Amino acid sequence: DVKVTQSSRYLVKRTGEKVFLECVQDMDHENMFWYRQDPGLGLRLIYFSYDVKMKEKGDIPEGYSVSREKKERFSLILESASTNQTSMYLCASSFTGANVLTFGAGSRLTVL
Amino acid sequence: GESVGLHLPTLSVQEGDNSIINCAYSNSASDYFIWYKQESGKGPQFIIDIRSNMDKRQGQRVTVLLNKTVKHLSLQIAATQPGDSAVYFCAENMDFNQAGTALIFGKGTTLSVSS
Repeated sequence: DVKVTQSSRYLVKRTGEKVFLECVQDMDHENMFWYRQDPGLGLRLIYFSYDVKMKEKGDIPEGYSVSREKKERFSLILESASTNQTSMYLCASSFTGANVLTFGAGSRLTVL
Repeated sequence: GESVGLHLPTLSVQEGDNSIINCAYSNSASDYFIWYKQESGKGPQFIIDIRSNMDKRQGQRVTVLLNKTVKHLSLQIAATQPGDSAVYFCAENMDFNQAGTALIFGKGTTLSVSS
């Protein structure tokens, strides 16, 4: 069964901490994406990547950075976590030219 | 930027009824649309998609309708079952400053099915 795996399902961090959210896919997909999901706001695109070491800003990149050192792994980094970054974070991947995304189960981050 | 939206945040139906979930989009240049279903505790899962050169596409118990004139997308679920209870998202494919394309999602509709 093909998968997008997000290593942490639940995290609790303190304001100002550096946070890493890891995502790994085993489908050899070129494209990877990070969204955040908040009640009443749906899914909003943070960053995406079309290839190793490539990254593009989505709609809400402020306060986030990403890393794509290997094709299968796409990391979301919060350099200094803030309470307004408390959210559900969803990673997804797809083949080049394909529109359908495969999502992970999500990482629920709480920043205190 | 332009965004995809949904008309109703919640929809309640009886088991066996047909459900219709609506979505309005504003980007007339979008050429691809997709519906996802998200069950509690899970990531969104693909249901059905449609390209802008089509008006209708059918799957198993689901139908997507696209009205480009009024920029409206709908998902119809026939004979709704309790297992259909979930949050449903529509999304459109959008260009990002020529960097590439990505799916932009609406706010979601929570479908509740009662027995």
